[in-house]
Amino acid sequence: DVKVTQSSRYLVKRTGEKVFLECVQDMDHENMFWYRQDPGLGLRLIYFSYDVKMKEKGDIPEGYSVSREKKERFSLILESASTNQTSMYLCASSLIRRLAGETQYFGPGTRLLVL
Amino acid sequence: GENVEQHPSTLSVQEGDSAVIKCTYSDSASNYFPWYKQELGKGPQLIIDIRSNVGEKKDQRIAVTLNKTAKHFSLHITETQPEDSAVYFCAASHLSGGYQKVTFGTGTKLQVIP
Repeated sequence: DVKVTQSSRYLVKRTGEKVFLECVQDMDHENMFWYRQDPGLGLRLIYFSYDVKMKEKGDIPEGYSVSREKKERFSLILESASTNQTSMYLCASSLIRRLAGETQYFGPGTRLLVL
Repeated sequence: GENVEQHPSTLSVQEGDSAVIKCTYSDSASNYFPWYKQELGKGPQLIIDIRSNVGEKKDQRIAVTLNKTAKHFSLHITETQPEDSAVYFCAASHLSGGYQKVTFGTGTKLQVIP
């Protein structure tokens, strides 16, 4: 079974802090994604990566950056956390880049509270 | 860009009844339509999907239908059980610039009342 793990289930941070969210997948997937999930808004794509050291902006990249130094690991960085970044963050991975019909496998999520 | 609308946002049904969730999409290039189930405290998990060359797909108590002309697709759950209670997301996907582009609906919270 594909397994996607996220470093923390819950995080509480202060406004202005730098925050790192880590995601690891164990199935050699090419694609990795970061979403945020908010009530009534569904899942919105922040960034995705289709290869090591490659990244592409999603629909809401402002205030975030990412890093993919190894194929299995994709990190989301909040350079200076703000209260409007309080949310559930979901990491996902999928196998092949050039295929539209690919299942995304999700981690359990990190619930971030910024005070 | 693609826009996916999902209705209803909440749905309560009696155990044993059927539940239907509907989605519409805007981009005719979308050709893959997955449905995800998210249980409390977990990430979404794929439960069924359909491709644009198929009108209907069934897997036990779950079925999905697709009307490409109207840009509608729906999830049908029959003989609902309490363990079906969860949040369900539809999505529409297509290749864009060489990348898989997936747009999710806003979710439906399904409650099955025993």
